[in-house]
Amino acid sequence: DGGITQSPKYLFRKEGQNVTLSCEQNLNHDAMYWYRQDPGQGLRLIYYSQIVNDFQKGDIAEGYSVSREKKESFPLTVTSAQKNPTAFYLCASSQTRVGSYEQYFGPGTRLTVT
Amino acid sequence: AQSVTQLDSHVSVSEGTPVLLRCNYSSSYSPSLFWYVQHPNKGLQLLLKYTSAATLVKGINGFEAEFKKSETSFHLTKPSAHMSDAAEYFCVVSAPSGGSYIPTFGRGTSLIVHP
Repeated sequence: DGGITQSPKYLFRKEGQNVTLSCEQNLNHDAMYWYRQDPGQGLRLIYYSQIVNDFQKGDIAEGYSVSREKKESFPLTVTSAQKNPTAFYLCASSQTRVGSYEQYFGPGTRLTVT
Repeated sequence: AQSVTQLDSHVSVSEGTPVLLRCNYSSSYSPSLFWYVQHPNKGLQLLLKYTSAATLVKGINGFEAEFKKSETSFHLTKPSAHMSDAAEYFCVVSAPSGGSYIPTFGRGTSLIVHP
């Protein structure tokens, strides 16, 4: 089955530690995205990538880093510089050809930092 | 520049009654518009999309939406609500910007369905 996987589903970390969230897709999509979701705030874009070895900051990139070494993978690292990292993180992918921009979402990772 | 406004943060209906979730958008170009649904602690699922074809778009689970350019609206409707429709709904606009199509999400509407 084609789709997007995120692991783990729940993640707990101590303050001051970096943590990496995994996102893998087998849809052959060029574009991948990371969003943060907090209650009542909808989805906020952290980073996106439209091609391998290239990525762009979104609206709230501070304290996060990404890499795109393979088309299928777009891991997100939450660094200790992120002031309030506890949130639900969603990864998505999409085609980039005209008329095919709908995004496919993974099941999400809930990160709790104490 | 593009933006999207979901006019209601919460909508409450009784099972079997119609559903209306309102969405207005702003875009400098002809946009693509989407509605997604999110059940608690899950990812988002595409309900339907408008990409400059028919203005009345039918989606999954009996939902549909009408693109009204003159009103810059893309409201989501369903004739009869089911308990399983209770979820968060997001309206999304996507238009070209510097060669990219980065979507902009509304803040979401929580649909509550009463028995």
